[in-house]
Amino acid sequence: GAVVSQHPSWVICKSGTSVKIECRSLDFQATTMFWYRQFPKQSLMLMATSNEGSKATYEQGVEKDKFLINHASLTLSTLTVTSAHPEDSSFYICSAPVLAGVDEQFFGPGTRLTVL
Amino acid sequence: GDSVTQMEGPVTLSEEAFLTINCTYTATGYPSLFWYVQYPGEGLQLLLKATKADDKGSNKGFEATYRKETTSFHLEKGSVQVSDSAVYFCALTPSGNTPLVFGKGTRLSVIA
Repeated sequence: GAVVSQHPSWVICKSGTSVKIECRSLDFQATTMFWYRQFPKQSLMLMATSNEGSKATYEQGVEKDKFLINHASLTLSTLTVTSAHPEDSSFYICSAPVLAGVDEQFFGPGTRLTVL
Repeated sequence: GDSVTQMEGPVTLSEEAFLTINCTYTATGYPSLFWYVQYPGEGLQLLLKATKADDKGSNKGFEATYRKETTSFHLEKGSVQVSDSAVYFCALTPSGNTPLVFGKGTRLSVIA
């Protein structure tokens, strides 16, 4: 099946620093990618929809200036958490539909962010 | 808006027991329905799906039937194994290329 990778798999940073998380589709092109956030023992909450070549669409309550999303190519979307604080500590997961109009999505393995 | 409600866990079963995890949904139109599984320390994996009413998704001994009349997509397995211990998420998508709406997840622990 299709493979989506994320890098890094985990990161620890100091409060106030910025962290970049990469999401890559390894064997297919993804014009759209989705970014989710998962708190411990909770479900996934959609943060934003990343579209190649255009601005991301953010869900209500998600700060676009804090969570910068760039979908620079058909295989790469990045999420940058700017000026991270401990409350940003979470598990960040990306996903991508394999084909436009097809409802199945493939998920990356996730990135665990811990802000000290 | 669209939503998914699934039974709260954790669920603890003995090996070879029968499993049911309830899932109901609210959506306009005819969404596609999914069950995803998340093993400890790993990302989500698609377990099974159904795209229209009365469809039955099945995989690895798990089954779920799309019931439009009861807006449900309950997950079942006749005989669970220790290796089935994971968190199970019910989800829907209204149409292709749109984000998934997830339930809260149900943690299953199977003991030998």
